[in-house]
Amino acid sequence: GAGVSQSPRYKVAKRGQDVALRCDPISGHVSLFWYQQALGQGPEFLTYFQNEAQLDKSGLPSDRFFAERPEGSVSTLKIQRTQQEDSAVYLCASSPLGQLFSPLHFGNGTRLTVT
Amino acid sequence: AQKVTQAQTEISVVEKEDVTLDCVYETRDTTYYLFWYKQPPSGELVFLIRRNSFDEQNEISGRYSWNFQKSTSSFNFTITASQVVDSAVYFCAYYLRTGANNLFFGTGTRLTVIP
Repeated sequence: GAGVSQSPRYKVAKRGQDVALRCDPISGHVSLFWYQQALGQGPEFLTYFQNEAQLDKSGLPSDRFFAERPEGSVSTLKIQRTQQEDSAVYLCASSPLGQLFSPLHFGNGTRLTVT
Repeated sequence: AQKVTQAQTEISVVEKEDVTLDCVYETRDTTYYLFWYKQPPSGELVFLIRRNSFDEQNEISGRYSWNFQKSTSSFNFTITASQVVDSAVYFCAYYLRTGANNLFFGTGTRLTVIP
């Protein structure tokens, strides 16, 4: 596609519900990142994939957060038993190279609101 | 630990004025990269520039210019003759070459250009 696509654009969940956020990276991009951006803050790293391999998940805040990229393209970030503190914008980014200092292409994000 | 500080939370300028966005970073490392990203109201972060720690040469791209000074650990961004389309949140970010697989972002500076 022309850019990184994320869906849904907005998601409202009741506390305790599970949610799944989808990211379609630019075709052929090797690296894929998930970031969490709280209101008024900069993005914070959650996890990193190189193709289908999850090389770093050190930023996932709890075991309720899970990410996968089974075929090395589309990725899903799943949050189980959502809590109010999970409310944030979740950004996906991809890069054509496996070099981690390459410029990232970001999607528009999914704004998650937990009520 | 790495840290990026953007002391200016919000800046407002009148169209055609010049504006400088400050970025100060903390590091004990010798090999690292610095970035600027722009986040317009649509939400996606747009890559603007990357510098590595061994290249202190200032750069100009159209109305944008960057001043990298290792002596003061600063990587400031200047927009000359600002335009309404420059209104956005601007993030400075740091990447450690041999460290974690992610960018450390500052808290951002919201720039509003008034017509």
